[in-house]
Amino acid sequence: QKEVEQNSGPLSVPEGAIASLNCTYSDRGSQSFFWYRQYSGKSPELIMSIYSNGDKEDGRFTAQLNKASQYVSLLIRDSQPSDSATYLCAVYSWGKLQFGAGTQVVVTP
Amino acid sequence: ETGVTQSPTHLIKTRGQQVTLRCSSQSGHNTVSWYQQALGQGPQFIFQYYREEENGRGNFPPRFSGLQFPNYSSELNVNALELDDSALYLCASSLDSPRYGYTFGSGTRLTVV
Repeated sequence: QKEVEQNSGPLSVPEGAIASLNCTYSDRGSQSFFWYRQYSGKSPELIMSIYSNGDKEDGRFTAQLNKASQYVSLLIRDSQPSDSATYLCAVYSWGKLQFGAGTQVVVTP
Repeated sequence: ETGVTQSPTHLIKTRGQQVTLRCSSQSGHNTVSWYQQALGQGPQFIFQYYREEENGRGNFPPRFSGLQFPNYSSELNVNALELDDSALYLCASSLDSPRYGYTFGSGTRLTVV
């Protein structure tokens, strides 16, 4: 079992719609959770961090954390073509940051 | 503009050779980690250094080694290169621990032929 799991996609989303990305993790002791955006050929860029159960909103992005169910999600509202990228879920566990394989999002006009 | 710089940006090596990749951490960041990202996959943790000591290692063989220097710059060395070592190598830094996330460098694309 992988420590951090994501659906690989691609997730096709019409422009203006909501993109919903999910991530599950195996270590119940995990403390910090992150979403990174990675454009093709570029390095990951931190877009959201969340540390406690519930929702956290930042602009068009909302991260949701449920530690009991061991999942974290990311919502992208009013999706734009510039949101087309791979979104990486990362979990801080055992002193290091572990990444999922990423979900590719394609926003279609 | 990222505070983490990596060099070189691209590199082509022959199987069996050795390579050194370099990273300059963001100012004040005393923790650095190196990741390998193969095409279509997420970054895989290689190892982490804190104040010049390795304090975490992923499932990579000993031919992957590193150093962190007093100025918090670091190196990743890979010996006896294999074709499967072809990947994007990412350096990431943080203050004390990655508990609050990492800042990534732009990466080094290594191709082994």
